[in-house]
Amino acid sequence: NAGVTQTPKFRILKIGQSMTLQCAQDMNHNYMYWYRQDPGMGLKLIYYSVGAGITDKGEVPNGYNVSRSTTEDFPLRLELAAPSQTSVYFCASGLAASGANVLTFGAGSRLTVL
Amino acid sequence: QKEVEQNSGPLSVPEGAIASLNCTYSDRGSQSFFWYRQYSGKSPELIMFIYSNGDKEDGRFTAQLNKASQYVSLLIRDSQPSDSATYLCASSNFGNEKLTFGTGTRLTIIP
Repeated sequence: NAGVTQTPKFRILKIGQSMTLQCAQDMNHNYMYWYRQDPGMGLKLIYYSVGAGITDKGEVPNGYNVSRSTTEDFPLRLELAAPSQTSVYFCASGLAASGANVLTFGAGSRLTVL
Repeated sequence: QKEVEQNSGPLSVPEGAIASLNCTYSDRGSQSFFWYRQYSGKSPELIMFIYSNGDKEDGRFTAQLNKASQYVSLLIRDSQPSDSATYLCASSNFGNEKLTFGTGTRLTIIP
């Protein structure tokens, strides 16, 4: 049982490049999330999904896209990378049936845009 | 805008003492509240959640919720150096599975 797996752990991009951050969970959780965390700050929600085929925007969706074709996978696509997207990205999953939406986080992906 | 506010710290507490971390929220529709611990360079991990007014205890940790005052706190008894971390408070509304996080309080336990 691996939990939530994110790849890559580190990546440097040039301005204007695109990339996909991968996220997979093996806990059969219906909810999945992408957060970003800037230095000294809390977590800002980018996108989330309540199940396969359903996605919705969070607080800071501009410059990102997501898809949820399976329960297990929730990739985050960055198009035309900008320095403002330099951050640590966390994927998380949760199971609403637990009574409160307790999230399990992946280890994070540190992205630098130069 | 729905907000969760925390004092960023740093909060320094002697080893063995009680650490008290506080959080206020602006959305009266918030129903569930979470405390996550985040070590430097690591991902957040859940410590506790609470959704009823009053206290909830789990080992050395006690979460307190006062919905009338829109106030959540986390008490850590017998603080240990391993408790040194950033503590994130989060809230969610009933039926809304998005969590809103505060900016976190950095706690340092002094041996």
